[in-house]
Amino acid sequence: DTEVTQTPKHLVMGMTNKKSLKCEQHMGHRAMYWYKQKAKKPPELMFVYSYEKLSINESVPSRFSPECPNSSLLNLHLHALQPEDSALYLCASSPGQAFNQPQHFGDGTRLSIL
Amino acid sequence: AQKITQTQPGMFVQEKEAVTLDCTYDTSDPSYGLFWYKQPSSGEMIFLIYQGSYDQQNATEGRYSLNFQKARKSANLVISASQLGDSAMYFCAMRENTGGFKTIFGAGTRLFVKA
Repeated sequence: DTEVTQTPKHLVMGMTNKKSLKCEQHMGHRAMYWYKQKAKKPPELMFVYSYEKLSINESVPSRFSPECPNSSLLNLHLHALQPEDSALYLCASSPGQAFNQPQHFGDGTRLSIL
Repeated sequence: AQKITQTQPGMFVQEKEAVTLDCTYDTSDPSYGLFWYKQPSSGEMIFLIYQGSYDQQNATEGRYSLNFQKARKSANLVISASQLGDSAMYFCAMRENTGGFKTIFGAGTRLFVKA
């Protein structure tokens, strides 16, 4: 079992739908991350929250909207997605930004856009 | 320029044998950390092992060990006594002291363990 929990595990949605991905960790980590991963590729960083504030936005389209309601929760709100947004979305956390701190990942949400 | 290079897209190993997955890196930061992650087909990224740039000894975690050669800028993962459950994608990654929150991933190596 992972210490970072993501829901749902699978999501199929149309291009006009609004949905949210959820991520939760109870390790006391202060940094939380969203990654997008296409098949057979490494993860690509989307957003980083540090102490519940958005620290990094890697020029992600506005149809992806992150939210960090508290230090344990991270959401990714989805609206008007495109077929190319179909991917595995991984949430991760780390104690902070030190170089010797590994990230702990969740199981991911497999997203399919119809 | 690639900061993390994994030159083996796919590797085969016989069950119970050892296998080495290659990773080379490039950085001018004297302080950095190197990580290996395992990703089964289920999708989860599992942290396996860490090596710091100032560590004098190679890291080991159970059947995993890291062959760290700082002068050659290589950080190869060695898996001993391979098991069928080791079949997965393996990513080498680096965090730099000046890199903030960013982790740089290699392209990955797909490992297939044969019975």
